[in-house]
Amino acid sequence: KNEVEQSPQNLTAQEGEFITINCSYSVGISALHWLQQHPGGGIVSLFMLSSGKKKHGRLIATINIQEKHSSLHITASHPRDSAVYICAVGTGTASKLTFGTGTRLQVTL
Amino acid sequence: DAGVTQSPTHLIKTRGQQVTLRCSPKSGHDTVSWYQQALGQGPQFIFQYYEEEERQRGNFPDRFSGHQFPNYSSELNVNALLLGDSALYLCASSSSGTYYNEQFFGPGTRLTVL
Repeated sequence: KNEVEQSPQNLTAQEGEFITINCSYSVGISALHWLQQHPGGGIVSLFMLSSGKKKHGRLIATINIQEKHSSLHITASHPRDSAVYICAVGTGTASKLTFGTGTRLQVTL
Repeated sequence: DAGVTQSPTHLIKTRGQQVTLRCSPKSGHDTVSWYQQALGQGPQFIFQYYEEEERQRGNFPDRFSGHQFPNYSSELNVNALLLGDSALYLCASSSSGTYYNEQFFGPGTRLTVL
């Protein structure tokens, strides 16, 4: 069993839909990251959180430390949101990250 | 602020060759981590450098080595390349100044081994 698991692996949505991507982890963490990766490779950090909830524009990230679970929500999805969304957890102070395999999101018109 | 930069962008090598990838961290950052991302997979931690020393290492063979310079930039060296080393190599930088620090990623170097 991987330390970080994401679901779903693939997701297709129509423009305007509300999207949820889930992440479960099995280790104690210092923080959890949500990252976005577009074709071509570059990774952008969306959120880093260790408790509660964060919001940035149409993106919302929540984490439940007791249940070892986090969700990334996208409201009013748009085709430009199409990307791979990756959950990663950091442990200890050395900031090494362990990544999930990602959720490939395709938003169509 | 240029953020994290990596060079080269793309690289093609043949089996048995050696390769050096380079990373410049975001201004103010002193810690550099390297990750390997195979096609369709999440990134895997290779190692992390801080104060010019390898601080932590993932499950990678000794063919993978690195270096950090006094200006905090870093190199990743891979010797005796194998076909399986074909991947996107990502560098991430962070600051050691607080307990836990957000990592900023570079655009990556795509290595193809033929």
